[in-house]
Amino acid sequence: AQKVTQAQTEISVVEKEDVTLDCVYETRDTTYYLFWYKQPPSGELVFLIRRNSFDEQNEISGRYSWNFQKSTSSFNFTITASQVVDSAVYFCALMGGSARQLTFGSGTQLTVLP
Amino acid sequence: DVKVTQSSRYLVKRTGEKVFLECVQDMDHENMFWYRQDPGLGLRLIYFSYDVKMKEKGDIPEGYSVSREKKERFSLILESASTNQTSMYLCASKFRDRVSNEQFFGPGTRLTVL
Repeated sequence: AQKVTQAQTEISVVEKEDVTLDCVYETRDTTYYLFWYKQPPSGELVFLIRRNSFDEQNEISGRYSWNFQKSTSSFNFTITASQVVDSAVYFCALMGGSARQLTFGSGTQLTVLP
Repeated sequence: DVKVTQSSRYLVKRTGEKVFLECVQDMDHENMFWYRQDPGLGLRLIYFSYDVKMKEKGDIPEGYSVSREKKERFSLILESASTNQTSMYLCASKFRDRVSNEQFFGPGTRLTVL
């Protein structure tokens, strides 16, 4: 069985602060894929990143960075110098090699205050 | 860009009514999905389809059925709506049956059953 845990239900920061969203996963598969999606107030989930289980390199994309650590089964997401437009619900998701569907975490509501 | 559209953003129905939620994608994706999103529970998969006329149950199929008569269209049907089906419903599509491909989401339909 697969499981994704996002322990932070809500986070509130002031603009320009850095913020890290935690994601911990469980799977028995040796091959799996991890995803982050952003859901702005408009409702549509927007794909941010995909990482496969054999690639533990951290990734940076502008103000976004991701830290994948297999040893702790975590795939954390950091926003540097947060902006009001970053306010959204962020979902972490997992797809195991033997599964044919995504398992989502419960999401983290990020509010960035001006 | 991939576009996934859903027939309604907001829908209000009465208990016992038959409800149709429509989803259309314009990128010739083989795979399509229906999720419901509830606070604190993240996204949960209701049904998915790998191709025309094919369907498989997800994690919470009870009370729902689906129809995929054309490749671009995937319909979710609530045979007899109940108040516990009040939720946000999200449709998604994906190119081919490859684990690594990300899903593209529609804007969601917020259904209220009175």
